[in-house]
Amino acid sequence: KNEVEQSPQNLTAQEGEFITINCSYSVGISALHWLQQHPGGGIVSLFMLSSGKKKHGRLIATINIQEKHSSLHITASHPRDSAVYICAVRSNSGYALNFGKGTSLLVTP
Amino acid sequence: GAGVSQSPRYKVTKRGQDVALRCDPISGHVSLYWYRQALGQGPEFLTYFNYEAQQDKSGLPNDRFSAERPEGSISTLTIQRTEQRDSAMYRCASSLRVDRAVTFGSGTRLTVV
Repeated sequence: KNEVEQSPQNLTAQEGEFITINCSYSVGISALHWLQQHPGGGIVSLFMLSSGKKKHGRLIATINIQEKHSSLHITASHPRDSAVYICAVRSNSGYALNFGKGTSLLVTP
Repeated sequence: GAGVSQSPRYKVTKRGQDVALRCDPISGHVSLYWYRQALGQGPEFLTYFNYEAQQDKSGLPNDRFSAERPEGSISTLTIQRTEQRDSAMYRCASSLRVDRAVTFGSGTRLTVV
């Protein structure tokens, strides 16, 4: 069983919709990352969290350490947000980032 | 450099050959990671370096895989006696420190025929 579970696996939304992607993990962590993988394959780091909430433009990431859960929200979604969003955690006993399988988002005009 | 640079971008090799994949991290980045990503899957951790020290190699699938970072900068991932199941995108990432955000390279697409 993967230590990092994301939901949904696939998501289609209309332009302008509010989007939420969820990530649950099973181990104690020192940090959680949200990453965006473009259709061309490049991976971009969006957020690194260890507590609370972070906001960057239309993107908001939250984490609840007690519940071992994080969410990535996209407000006023746009077709250019279409990508795979990946959650990754670093356990507090190692160096590796363990990745979820990703959520494939398609935003239609 | 400005980003994490990997070479080659694409590598096609015959089964049984050895391959060496290169990663040039962002200058000054202490932490360096190697990942492997199969089609439609998230990246899978292979190994981690802190400067030149390989501090975690728990993700290397078998002893055909090895990595080095002799001077704490450029790293090489070597796969000996390649097999078809080794075909994947191999990604390198670096960060200023282990507790900082990571930057990924564009990857090397390895195809073993």
